[in-house]
Amino acid sequence: GAVVSQHPSWVICKSGTSVKIECRSLDFQATTMFWYRQFPKQSLMLMATSNEGSKATYEQGVEKDKFLINHASLTLSTLTVTSAHPEDSSFYICSARDIGLAGPSYNEQFFGPGTRLTVL
Amino acid sequence: GENVEQHPSTLSVQEGDSAVIKCTYSDSASNYFPWYKQELGKRPQLIIDIRSNVGEKKDQRIAVTLNKTAKHFSLHITETQPEDSAVYFCAARGSTLGRLYFGRGTQLTVWP
Repeated sequence: GAVVSQHPSWVICKSGTSVKIECRSLDFQATTMFWYRQFPKQSLMLMATSNEGSKATYEQGVEKDKFLINHASLTLSTLTVTSAHPEDSSFYICSARDIGLAGPSYNEQFFGPGTRLTVL
Repeated sequence: GENVEQHPSTLSVQEGDSAVIKCTYSDSASNYFPWYKQELGKRPQLIIDIRSNVGEKKDQRIAVTLNKTAKHFSLHITETQPEDSAVYFCAARGSTLGRLYFGRGTQLTVWP
């Protein structure tokens, strides 16, 4: 199956700093990538849909100025958490759809391994 | 938008027994329903999925059924094993931008 990577896998930072998380599709092209946040023992909550070459679409309640998303190429999307605070500590996961797939696999989303963010 | 409800939130079964997790959805336009298994600290892994033009799909010990009229779909795991213990999420693909709407998850524990 298609492979999605994330970097870093974990990060610890001080309150007030900014953190950038990368999501890459390694062996396929993705016009659309999705960013999720998952708190302990909770479900995946979609933060935004990242579209290559255009502005991201944010879910209601997600601050677009705090969570900056850039999708500059068909294989890379980045999420920057600006001025991070302890309440931003969470597991951030991206996913991507392979635009080259057809048939039954067309709908499938491939998930990255996640990034554990801890803000002190 | 779509609303996905998942039950139960926790499920404990004895090894060898069957486990059933149920989900309902609200948007009749949803057409793709995947199930994911997530182990602690890891990414969700697709275990089975079904499209709206199919009523049932099976892959070895795992099966999914879909009732479009009632807007519900279920995951069935037979002959459960301790390694099946994990959190399972259902999801529905809505009509907007291909996004997935997730259920709240079910913590499945299989006792040896």
